[in-house]
This record gives sequence, structure tokens and C-alpha cells, in this order.
Amino acid sequence: NAGVTQTPKFQVLKTGQSMTLQCAQDMNHNSMYWYRQDPGMGLRLIYYSASEGTTDKGEVPNGYNVSRLNKREFSLRLESAAPSQTSVYFCASSPRDIYEQYFGPGTRLTVT
Amino acid sequence: AQSVSQHNHHVILSEAASLELGCNYSYGGTVNLFWYVQYPGQHLQLLLKYFSGDPLVKGIKGFEAEFIKSKFSFNLRKPSVQWSDTAEYFCAVRAGNQGGKLIFGQGTELSVKP
Repeated sequence: NAGVTQTPKFQVLKTGQSMTLQCAQDMNHNSMYWYRQDPGMGLRLIYYSASEGTTDKGEVPNGYNVSRLNKREFSLRLESAAPSQTSVYFCASSPRDIYEQYFGPGTRLTVT
Repeated sequence: AQSVSQHNHHVILSEAASLELGCNYSYGGTVNLFWYVQYPGQHLQLLLKYFSGDPLVKGIKGFEAEFIKSKFSFNLRKPSVQWSDTAEYFCAVRAGNQGGKLIFGQGTELSVKP
């Protein structure tokens, strides 16, 4: 089992560019999540999907969109990147939303 | 709004010293509590969790945590740290009525000197 995988590992964007971060899990989990990690602020939830076909906003959704493509895949899209979106992005999954979450290796995004 | 507070931002210890990292949360109802660890350059891994039952929970690598409901706390402890425990530690809380939403604390960076 690869667990939770994320692509790309690193990305540099210019302000205004768009991109999609990809996340996939092979653990047959129902719930998936996107977080951003910033120094001194811990992890903050951007969006989550409790089950296939549903998505909900988290703590910091502005500037992002998500797609739960199928049970395995949950993508995060930045339509018009801003320097404030420079961060490390983590995807996570859990069997159901009430259980512990398993994290991917992260994507380090820099917006110049 | 719910929040999680980790009081220590950076802790420096020598090997064999005892460790206690504080975590307090603000929510009066049922909670699930977690400690995650992030080793340098790696992703978050679950150390331990509390859902119900015995408030003293044991996790991997000799860590334990105690849930004290009256103090809204879930402090992490280890009797004797090793250099390999150098990492960042995150406390997280899931409120009973919030589905899968985890609220994380700011993190505590632990440096263990050999």
C-alpha cells in the first residue's frame, strides 16, 4: 500500500497562475481532506470530503476549489495563485470522518 | 470558535530527560483527541488518540497522554526522550458535532540534544 500520495512534491507559481494539486489514497477510505501548514499556525483545514460526492468548506477555503473525482482521488485547485497561498499543502484520508486521519507527504508551493 | 492551544513553541531537552507538552482546547462537549508527530522532512504520523474510556492513553515509541476533562487538557508525556524524538508535535481535537474537522494546535518543536 502506498497510503496517501500527492503530486507534485514542489511547485513554483507566478501570481495569477493556476494549478491543481493531486491527491490519491489506496486504503479504500471514505473521507479525504486538504490542509495547509504555515509556520507557527499548525495545520488549517481548507476543504474536506466526508464521502464520495460531497465536499465542504473548512477553516480557510477562500481562493481554493476542490473536486472529489472518485473514492480514491481528491484534488485541490488554485484558480489564481497569490503570494499568501505560499505554504505546504497536505492531503489526508480517514476510513470515516470520525476516525484518525492519515497524511500524505505534502506539496511545497511557492507563489512569487 | 473552537481552538487548540499548545503552550510550548520550542522545547530543548537533553537525552534521557522527561518530556511533557501541553495542549488545551476550547470546546465543552464530546471530543476526540490526537497527537501527531512530524519528523524533519516527513509527513504527519499519528502518535496516539483518545476517543473514550481510560483517560490515560499509550501510543507508539513510549509516548502517553492524559485527558483531563475538567481542565480541557490532553498533555503529551514521555519519561525519557531520545535524540530520534527530535520533531514537531501537533495536538488536534475533533469536536463531537463537527464531523471529520480536526482543529490543530500551533505545534511544538522538540529538539533533543545527544
